[in-house]
Amino acid sequence: DTAVSQTPKYLVTQMGNDKSIKCEQNLGHDTMYWYKQDSKKFLKIMFSYNNKELIINETVPNRFSPKSPDKAHLNLHINSLELGDSAVYFCASSPGRRGSTDTQYFGPGTRLTVL
Amino acid sequence: RKEVEQDPGPFNVPEGATVAFNCTYSNSASQSFFWYRQDCRKEPKLLMSVYSSGNEDGRFTAQLNRASQYISLLIRDSKLSDSATYLCVVPRYGNKLVFGAGTILRVKS
Repeated sequence: DTAVSQTPKYLVTQMGNDKSIKCEQNLGHDTMYWYKQDSKKFLKIMFSYNNKELIINETVPNRFSPKSPDKAHLNLHINSLELGDSAVYFCASSPGRRGSTDTQYFGPGTRLTVL
Repeated sequence: RKEVEQDPGPFNVPEGATVAFNCTYSNSASQSFFWYRQDCRKEPKLLMSVYSSGNEDGRFTAQLNRASQYISLLIRDSKLSDSATYLCVVPRYGNKLVFGAGTILRVKS
């Protein structure tokens, strides 16, 4: 009964390729997030959606495009992958009224390696 | 000053020891704070929330000092299973969380 799931768990690809990571939550939460954790272990928010609406969009290259087909899913598509995109990407969700500070529940992460 | 600063450690302590981590934050308007725990190659998980002066849950105590803008986490009677990275988290606004770089704890037998 995984609450927040991500696929794939590992992703190894060449520079210049386009790839997608999928996230699903079965907690009935309204808000979902994408975070990036780089090699220095800093966890930084990239995007957040509330009921399919983009509410947080940090300074992220426009090669990264999130898509939320419904409130239980938030996917991340990355175009023209670069070496610096290598990191662990975590999806998270929270019960969230928009703007509320709720506990966030994280998925297991997708370890992306760009060669 | 960084938004959230933590001593990266590592803190190497024997089982049964008491250990404390500090975290300082720059946003004086923050009202709530969190400690998350992250095991190696795993996702972060909420350990404790801190909304007023402090919070206690078993062996774990979190304290908040708003005047000095720091939060502390105290772990008593350390167990081997407490070995992890402890992340201090401060909301910038609403549900936008800012994570510290984490403090590594290693508990040895």
